Amino acid sequence: AQSVSQHNHHVILSEAASLELGCNYSYGGTVNLFWYVQYPGQHLQLLLKYFSGDPLVKGIKGFEAEFIKSKFSFNLRKPSVQWSDTAEYFCAVKHGSGNTGKLIFGQGTTLQVKP
Amino acid sequence: NAGVTQTPKFQVLKTGQSMTLQCAQDMNHEYMSWYRQDPGMGLRLIHYSVGAGITDQGEVPNGYNVSRSTTEDFPLRLLSAAPSQTSVYFCASRTGQSAQPQHFGDGTRLSIL
Repeated sequence: AQSVSQHNHHVILSEAASLELGCNYSYGGTVNLFWYVQYPGQHLQLLLKYFSGDPLVKGIKGFEAEFIKSKFSFNLRKPSVQWSDTAEYFCAVKHGSGNTGKLIFGQGTTLQVKP
Repeated sequence: NAGVTQTPKFQVLKTGQSMTLQCAQDMNHEYMSWYRQDPGMGLRLIHYSVGAGITDQGEVPNGYNVSRSTTEDFPLRLLSAAPSQTSVYFCASRTGQSAQPQHFGDGTRLSIL
């Protein structure tokens, strides 16, 4: 079955530390890739997306992600985290082209940034 | 432009009761979906719809029904609530273009006693 795996379930960092959250997926065909963030008590918001072109994607709030097709990975990075980045982060993959492709989410990674 | 609106925000049910979670979007999006969010399991797709009159099952459809009589509305029905359905439910929508991201509602926190 198609799946998305986020390796880090809970990450604790100090402010200004660098962040990398891992995401791997199992599907070998055409994929669209997303990272969503969920701040405490809020709904999911899109951080960034990849669907073609440059595999290094820049999103909002200084986040970026790199699509490495050979590794089936789409890791999220930020050079210097802030306390306000404390949230839950979800990697999601839409398999296949066309309107019917389903969005499959990873288990999520809780990021706690200490001031 | 309200985006994706879910009602209610909170609900407590007794086992065996039925209820409908409402979801409406005003963006004329073709694609709508329902997810449940449980700790350590991310979001799991319950049902989705690619347009009015068309629905299909996601990963965890058992115990839930949906219908899509209009483009705007996509209600989720719990037929006979069970404690295992205690969760936070999110409705989402997007355009028909495959690469577009989904827009999420604020969620419905449902507790089944």
